Amino acid sequence: DGGITQSPKYLFRKEGQNVTLSCEQNLNHDAMYWYRQDPGQGLRLIYYSQIVNDFQKGDIAEGYSVSREKKESFPLTVTSAQKNPTAFYLCASSIQASEKTQYFGPGTRLLVL
Amino acid sequence: GENVEQHPSTLSVQEGDSAVIKCTYSDSASNYFPWYKQELGKGPQLIIDIRSNVGEKKDQRIAVTLNKTAKHFSLHITETQPEDSAVYFCAAYYGNNRLAFGKGNQVVVIP
Repeated sequence: DGGITQSPKYLFRKEGQNVTLSCEQNLNHDAMYWYRQDPGQGLRLIYYSQIVNDFQKGDIAEGYSVSREKKESFPLTVTSAQKNPTAFYLCASSIQASEKTQYFGPGTRLLVL
Repeated sequence: GENVEQHPSTLSVQEGDSAVIKCTYSDSASNYFPWYKQELGKGPQLIIDIRSNVGEKKDQRIAVTLNKTAKHFSLHITETQPEDSAVYFCAAYYGNNRLAFGKGNQVVVIP
């Protein structure tokens, strides 16, 4: 069963805590992306990675960090520097960086306690 | 960067009628335009896309039209069904592996 998986489905963060959201794909896609979605808003790009061991900042990277040590994995860490982390986080992938079609995972909802 | 706007923000249609959602974009260099359907609490699902070398593309009850001169593209859903109720997002590719998304349209199909 191929696709993109995100875990957990819901995540709670306490003040001053870093949390990590998981994104895994078995589609053999080179490029992976993280988006943030707020109610009534479009998707905003946080970070993206075109290839293993490489990633670039998107439009709202402040307070977030990523790593791309394996082709199939692209975890996102929401740091304590992100003052408004409550949102729906979506991971996506595409075959190659030059292939424009992106496919999304089911999302992780992050809530602040 | 690219700016994508969607209209209307909410659309209610009677079951069986057609629904049309329009998006405008600002960057004339954009050459790829996908549409996504998002159900509550789920990730967006790609339903159709169009590249700038064609003006129209159909897939069963769904079609997308592109007007490069006017810089707008539209999603057409015919014979709407209750399961078509969802939020629909348009996007435009503007280079450097970036998609710019609209804010979404809530489509409600009334049985």
